[in-house]
Amino acid sequence: NAGVTQTPKFQVLKTGQSMTLQCAQDMNHEYMSWYRQDPGMGLRLIHYSVGAGITDQGEVPNGYNVSRSTTEDFPLRLLSAAPSQTSVYFCASSYTGGAGELFFGEGSRLTVL
Amino acid sequence: SQKIEQNSEALNIQEGKTATLTCNYTNYSPAYLQWYRQDPGRGPVFLLLIRENEKEKRKERLKVTFDTTLKQSLFHITASQPADSATYLCALTSGTYKYIFGTGTRLKVLA
Repeated sequence: NAGVTQTPKFQVLKTGQSMTLQCAQDMNHEYMSWYRQDPGMGLRLIHYSVGAGITDQGEVPNGYNVSRSTTEDFPLRLLSAAPSQTSVYFCASSYTGGAGELFFGEGSRLTVL
Repeated sequence: SQKIEQNSEALNIQEGKTATLTCNYTNYSPAYLQWYRQDPGRGPVFLLLIRENEKEKRKERLKVTFDTTLKQSLFHITASQPADSATYLCALTSGTYKYIFGTGTRLKVLA
């Protein structure tokens, strides 16, 4: 099983550009989520989804957009990149969410100049 | 606001000893507490889950305790090995869909 796959692994953007981080899972998990990880801040929840067509905001949602059209995919869109969005982004999925173990992707390192 | 504290300083221990990592939380009533391992440049990997009504959970060389009165979890690795060197994260959830993570403690096991 591939598990949780994130693309791209590395990306450099200029301020104001937009882009989409892709996340796909092949475990038929209903729950998917996006985190950002910054030094000294830990993992912070950006958005999450409990199933196709259902999304909700996490702790730091501003500047990010998500949608969930299929069970497998949960893309994260940066609408107008800012240097403050320089971070490592992780996608995670779980069978149930709420208490289930999270399966993480390998991360996407984003630098905004 | 909800806060999780893990020792931000690295923990260095000698091979064969028991490593003990701490996770403290405030302003939160978690129903579940989880521990993850994260290697450099990789995503976190789930290790153990303990429920609020459980005092202790074991898995091979790993042991987790959960004290809801002290608002603290301890994570133990017995007979530690250099391969156990990594950053360990604790995560809390109240059973909703929002997981809250600590900043992690870096463990280095010296041969």
